[in-house]
Amino acid sequence: DIQMTQSPSLLSASVGDRVTLSCKASQNIYKYLNWYQQKLGEAPKLLIYYTNSLQTGIPSRFSGSGSGTDYTLTISSLQPEDVATYFCQQYNSWPLTFGSGTKLEIK
Amino acid sequence: QVTLKESGPGILQPSHTLSLTCSFSGFSLSTYGMGVSWIRQPSGKGLEWLASIWWNGNTYNNPSLKSRLTVSKDTSNNQAFLKVTSVDTADTATYYCAHSDHYYYDGTYYYPYYFDYWGQGVMVTVSS
Repeated sequence: DIQMTQSPSLLSASVGDRVTLSCKASQNIYKYLNWYQQKLGEAPKLLIYYTNSLQTGIPSRFSGSGSGTDYTLTISSLQPEDVATYFCQQYNSWPLTFGSGTKLEIK
Repeated sequence: QVTLKESGPGILQPSHTLSLTCSFSGFSLSTYGMGVSWIRQPSGKGLEWLASIWWNGNTYNNPSLKSRLTVSKDTSNNQAFLKVTSVDTADTATYYCAHSDHYYYDGTYYYPYYFDYWGQGVMVTVSS
């Protein structure tokens, strides 16, 4: 199985900050990487697919990058409504696997 | 507009079989490229992919659950199903179904390109 490691597990930042979340795969996943946002008590929401494609309706302050084993989700200017847990997910091979999440808080 | 909604027993006893239904609208599982997957999440923990079923009947299960999983569909009634046999307390979780309308094919397998619509989830507790 491909292991997905996210860091940090908890991130505290101020409104307006540029925030970077990391996701590292245990082997090359060839950019087959998605990002989801999950707010408390809700189902996950797709933010970014195939490393850097923004899902319809998602604000442009969210962006993704990476290749090989290392991937990043960036929020260019943190907003209060971005408080959530963020998960990365690979679909390069079965079984599909998710990272353990980064919980994002407002400082 | 795509919507999905999971339903299940709420609580069941260890060793029993968990049966879940995903009722959906806005797409058909007989349409080329459509898929439904099941994902679960224990309270306060991460996400675990369980199984996927495609428009063409292809199914994939997470081998970590060995042969306990069965995923199926009823195209006429716009439903997908998940059965988990021999449940124990470790199966206590919120179970989600999710839609995919795009896949990555590596020559052998169809992988969901993303999960773009999710149901609200159904909580399942395994307890004696």
